Amino acid sequence: DQQVKQNSPSLSVQEGRISILNCDYTNSMFDYFLWYKKYPAEGPTFLISISSIKDKNEDGRFTVFLNKSAKHLSLHIVPSQPGDSAVYFCAASAMDSSYKLIFGSGTRLLVRP
Amino acid sequence: EPEVTQTPSHQVTQMGQEVILRCVPISNHLYFYWYRQILGQKVEFLVSFYNNEISEKSEIFDDQFSVERPDGSNFTLKIRSTKLEDSAMYFCASSEAYQGNTEAFFGQGTRLTVV
Repeated sequence: DQQVKQNSPSLSVQEGRISILNCDYTNSMFDYFLWYKKYPAEGPTFLISISSIKDKNEDGRFTVFLNKSAKHLSLHIVPSQPGDSAVYFCAASAMDSSYKLIFGSGTRLLVRP
Repeated sequence: EPEVTQTPSHQVTQMGQEVILRCVPISNHLYFYWYRQILGQKVEFLVSFYNNEISEKSEIFDDQFSVERPDGSNFTLKIRSTKLEDSAMYFCASSEAYQGNTEAFFGQGTRLTVV
């Protein structure tokens, strides 16, 4: 049961351009969404989050958009930098489930110099 | 900056043996978690722990698994009789309040290899 889906396994963008990573979810009980960045052999590192009462949250080069009616969220990175190259995981949690995180399968981002 | 630390970084064990994975969560955090990632797959929730008891566990977390907070700092995951399919990266995480309103900080992980 894939409650959180990241349909693009990989994405390649040019340095300086925008990276857009997408995520879809099926569980309408999710009320908090997070993006994590992960390098090989390391743990996930928190990037940015958004509550279901908002539709946008911005932190520097990172912006997360939430479309509740479409059950879709996206992470925008602008401008993209080579150091952003990593696997990005979308995660979601629900108040009635101990706030455990349900992760998507990840999108590998490559930012080309 | 405070961080979650996990030991060992890599553990190789024979099938049927017991393993204990150790974690030191961030000191003022109250919620503790174990996740795992089988190679090439997504990160999966195993168990959450609050106020010295399990608050939720997944289907993966069967009777072979247990967690403990033996003192004020350590948080351990024990697998009693390891199986080949237990081979994975195991991540410990902690959060200050609960994951719905604040991010979870993850450790670097323990790579468990069952042979």
